[in-house]
Amino acid sequence: QQPVQSPQAVILREGEDAVINCSSSKALYSVHWYRQKHGEAPVFLMILLKGGEQKGHDKISASFNEKKQQSSLYLTASQLSYSGTYFCGTEGKGAQKLVFGQGTRLTINP
Amino acid sequence: GAGVSQSPRYKVTKRGQDVALRCDPISGHVSLYWYRQALGQGPEFLTYFNYEAQQDKSGLPNDRFSAERPEGSISTLTIQRTEQRDSAMYRCASSPLNSPLHFGNGTRLTVT
Repeated sequence: QQPVQSPQAVILREGEDAVINCSSSKALYSVHWYRQKHGEAPVFLMILLKGGEQKGHDKISASFNEKKQQSSLYLTASQLSYSGTYFCGTEGKGAQKLVFGQGTRLTINP
Repeated sequence: GAGVSQSPRYKVTKRGQDVALRCDPISGHVSLYWYRQALGQGPEFLTYFNYEAQQDKSGLPNDRFSAERPEGSISTLTIQRTEQRDSAMYRCASSPLNSPLHFGNGTRLTVT
């Protein structure tokens, strides 16, 4: 079952923060986050494997609440380069395939 | 090193024709996935392989769609008797086992 992302779209000014949420109705083994720029392939950002785990890379971090089957992606002090569509991909227990959400389009204006 | 390579980049075909889409994964990647992505939507799972074995084909829409990876490397997604609703971007991804996916640039299929 496809995870649900919110919001569907966000418009920010450079330097502002954003949070993108991903929730599933199924028990999850892992959550992956990808960013896709217009006309390009999705690119891997990070993977979260354990309940309550939080990871970060540069000013982008994420958390995974296994009990609630939810993950959130945090973008701090956004840069123009952060613009794109963000997808969460969820992996159920015992299933190797990733099921992707519908995406959140992030626009950063100067 | 080289990324995931897909060919052709663009394919225009007439309704009723068969098409074959090719994916050349990153060397050494065990797992290979096929996804379909409509404009403005997330990738939709079709099928995946570990080595040459097809592990899950639950996402293939109907029996006109099939995929193979006979030697555990290059994979072909075949669509028989194409229909207009098959028009989409078809993306291949590969990965080491239980690792993040590396996506190719996709094949844009248009059925007229």
